Amino acid sequence: EPEVTQTPSHQVTQMGQEVILRCVPISNHLYFYWYRQILGQKVEFLVSFYNNEISEKSEIFDDQFSVERPDGSNFTLKIRSTKLEDSAMYFCASSQMASGGRGETQYFGPGTRLLVL
Amino acid sequence: DAKTTQPPSMDCAEGRAANLPCNHSTISGNEYVYWYRQIHSQGPQYIIHGLKNNETNEMASLIITEDRKSSTLILPHATLRDTAVYYCIVRVVSTGNQFYFGTGTSLTVIP
Repeated sequence: EPEVTQTPSHQVTQMGQEVILRCVPISNHLYFYWYRQILGQKVEFLVSFYNNEISEKSEIFDDQFSVERPDGSNFTLKIRSTKLEDSAMYFCASSQMASGGRGETQYFGPGTRLLVL
Repeated sequence: DAKTTQPPSMDCAEGRAANLPCNHSTISGNEYVYWYRQIHSQGPQYIIHGLKNNETNEMASLIITEDRKSSTLILPHATLRDTAVYYCIVRVVSTGNQFYFGTGTSLTVIP
């Protein structure tokens, strides 16, 4: 069964450093998402991406964050200058179509645990 | 924000049916009800979704009331591996494609 994969599974970085989290969405999916979950808190939406551009973003997704689909398979989240409060699990998700009224499902990857020291 | 209400925790005996309720009294006519679960800190796992009819798949059944203001996820024969946080999500159409995850129900399956 196809699944979303993410690398690395764990990342430790120093405050102020740049990190890139990588995701390989399910191959025939067109919509891509990043969510994050700070330890003990809710899963929070960061950004959605379609047709090589951001379609939605939350307040969390500020200028320190960027997303890219550098090739036909990868989808990346870059944090330009990490802060302590960026420590969280980051989940990538993908869906075949927009999760709109047709009830399209988002499938999530296993996550990358980011620790900023 | 999340438009659903779920009990914070529930227990279920292994082998018995687990019935997880969810209230979504402000649901709109074209909004689907989705259920996901999260085992430990793994990625949310899709379980089932529905609009107004009851749905069943290999994992669970979803019962939606006629007025669509509440639903119940049923795990017919709970196992220890079903211990997880279960999220009932109603996607708010006006906010686009994002899912709002609330605090969910922490289900513990007891041997």
